[in-house]
Amino acid sequence: DAMVIQNPRYQVTQFGKPVTLSCSQTLNHNVMYWYQQKSSQAPKLLFHYYDKDFNNEADTPDNFQSRRPNTSFCFLDIRSPGLGDAAMYLCATSRGRTSGNEQFFGPGTRLTVL
Amino acid sequence: GQNIDQPTEMTATEGAIVQINCTYQTSGFNGLFWYQQHAGEAPTFLSYNVLDGLEEKGRFSSFLSRSKGYSYLLLKELQMKDSASYLCAVRGGDSSYKLIFGSGTRLLVRP
Repeated sequence: DAMVIQNPRYQVTQFGKPVTLSCSQTLNHNVMYWYQQKSSQAPKLLFHYYDKDFNNEADTPDNFQSRRPNTSFCFLDIRSPGLGDAAMYLCATSRGRTSGNEQFFGPGTRLTVL
Repeated sequence: GQNIDQPTEMTATEGAIVQINCTYQTSGFNGLFWYQQHAGEAPTFLSYNVLDGLEEKGRFSSFLSRSKGYSYLLLKELQMKDSASYLCAVRGGDSSYKLIFGSGTRLLVRP
């Protein structure tokens, strides 16, 4: 089945220790997104790639970086995680960016910062 | 600013019908999505509305009124497995790619 895969599902890191979350997709979609979702809150878009074109949201902290080495993979790097970065991180894909292109979400990675 | 409002929690009985409302104020409008999210899992797509009216898909229906900035998700013949959060998301007009999510409505279905 075509899908969006995130690894690991649960990640524990220490305060200030860099961590990388990964996402892969078999849908061959052009767009990949990273969202941060804290408990009982709306998913918040951090950035997205349209093919190789990186688009950062204005309020995404510099602590968050992303890489997309090819169509299938996208990584979220948190350079110096703080306690406030503990959250669920959701990767999503869509075929395009225009109206009607639904986003398909991966299962998420729950990040704990000790 | 951009704002999506949904009730925080709702409770309903198995077999009943429930309506989850969503109101939005966004700069432009390019469609409204409803997603279902079970605890600890990813959101899954339920419905999409871009024109006024009702879209029906099995036990789920979604309604949109663009002039009122209003949508609802209607769930019929409720089942226990429908206990989840329901997220309303709007694609704003200023950024065609960006979905603005509401905080979600937690629905509890009781026997």
